[in-house]
Amino acid sequence: KAGVTQTPRYLIKTRGQQVTLSCSPISGHRSVSWYQQTPGQGLQFLFEYFSETQRNKGNFPGRFSGRQFSNSRSEMNVSTLELGDSALYLCASSSLSGGDQFFGPGTRLTVL
Amino acid sequence: KNEVEQSPQNLTAQEGEFITINCSYSVGISALHWLQQHPGGGIVSLFMLSSGKKKHGRLIATINIQEKHSSLHITASHPRDSAVYICAVPSVYNTDKLIFGTGTRLQVFP
Repeated sequence: KAGVTQTPRYLIKTRGQQVTLSCSPISGHRSVSWYQQTPGQGLQFLFEYFSETQRNKGNFPGRFSGRQFSNSRSEMNVSTLELGDSALYLCASSSLSGGDQFFGPGTRLTVL
Repeated sequence: KNEVEQSPQNLTAQEGEFITINCSYSVGISALHWLQQHPGGGIVSLFMLSSGKKKHGRLIATINIQEKHSSLHITASHPRDSAVYICAVPSVYNTDKLIFGTGTRLQVFP
C-alpha cells in the first residue's frame, strides 16, 4: 500500500504570491490533516478534512485554506505569502476520526 | 487546553545505551501518539497508545493514564535512531486535532 504523498517536495516563492500544496492520502483513508512546522512554533495544526468537509481548523489566518476532493486527495492554499509562512507543511491521513495518523514527507516552502 | 511537555529537550547517547524520553500532558486523553522525525523532515508515526505498553522492535512505549505520563524507550540504541521524537495528544475539544510536544532531539554516537 502506497504511503501518503505530498507534492511538490520543495517550493520557493516570493512575498505576495500564492501557493497550492497537494496531499494524496493512503488509499482508503478519508481523513486528511494539515500541519505547519517552523523552528519557532514547532508543529501546529492547520485543518482537517473528512469526506470533502473541513471539520476542524487551527488558529491560522484566512490566507490559509484547503479543500478535499471526492477521491480524498487534499490541497491547501496560502495566499499573499509572507516571509513567516516559510515552513515545512505536513499532511497526515487516517482511516477514521481520532485514529492513527500517517504522515507524508512534507513540502518545504521557502518564501523570499 | 491540553499542554504537552517533553523531557529532555536534547539527549546524546553512546551506541548501545538504553534511552528514555518522557512526555507529560495536562488533560485526560483518549490516546497518545509518538512520532519520529529524521533530519530532512519526514515524520513517521511510531505508536498510538491509550493504555499499557506497546513494543515494536527496539522501541517500547508506555502510558500511565492516571498520572498523565508516557515514556518512549529505545533499547540498544543505534546511530540510525538519531532523530527528533515528538509526542502528541488530541485536543480536548477535538480529537482530530493533535497538540504536539516540542520534541526531544536524540543523537546516538557510535
